[in-house]
Amino acid sequence: KQEVTQIPAALSVPEGENLVLNCSFTDSAIYNLQWFRQDPGKGLTSLLLIQSSQREQTSGRLNASLDKSSGRSTLYIAASQPGDSATYLCAAKETSGSRLTFGEGTQLTVNP
Amino acid sequence: NAGVTQTPKFRVLKTGQSMTLLCAQDMNHEYMYWYRQDPGMGLRLIHYSVGEGTTAKGEVPDGYNVSRLKKQNFLLGLESAAPSQTSVYFCASSWGLASSYEQYFGPGTRLTVT
Repeated sequence: KQEVTQIPAALSVPEGENLVLNCSFTDSAIYNLQWFRQDPGKGLTSLLLIQSSQREQTSGRLNASLDKSSGRSTLYIAASQPGDSATYLCAAKETSGSRLTFGEGTQLTVNP
Repeated sequence: NAGVTQTPKFRVLKTGQSMTLLCAQDMNHEYMYWYRQDPGMGLRLIHYSVGEGTTAKGEVPDGYNVSRLKKQNFLLGLESAAPSQTSVYFCASSWGLASSYEQYFGPGTRLTVT
């Protein structure tokens, strides 16, 4: 059974800092890995999707990498801003079906 | 496009009552999903559908039923609500199974069962 872990559970940084969020998964047979942002009381917004054949994806200040062999993905946020404060979730899609397995998320606070 | 919408946004039920949550998507997606989100448990898949008229069980299906009579709608039913079903429920949709297809999520329904 796939298990997805995100460390740390919470992170507080000053504005402008570059930061890395970590996601690890136990079964490397994944279809893709997706990073989401969730604001308090809101739904999930997709940030980046990395297919199993890809190593990284970039969108603006965000860069996500995928290393299937080690079971890890990272989300790099450059020049963090207070508006980046949210919970970031990663989810691995299994190859045998349509299920996404989610981590519990990293709650990010960017202080002005 | 409205994307994925959910009704209602909030609901309080008493133990034993029934209700139906409605999910609608206007992106012509084939696949639709129902998840629940609980503190310390993350999001877990309840049921999903791979097309109109189909449904399948996810990770935590007990106590829930679903129907997909129209491609754009996916209904989640609770026949006899229990306090353990207090949660935030999210609907999602996607084009299909290909590795490039993202899942798009609705805003959620916060359900409290007393």
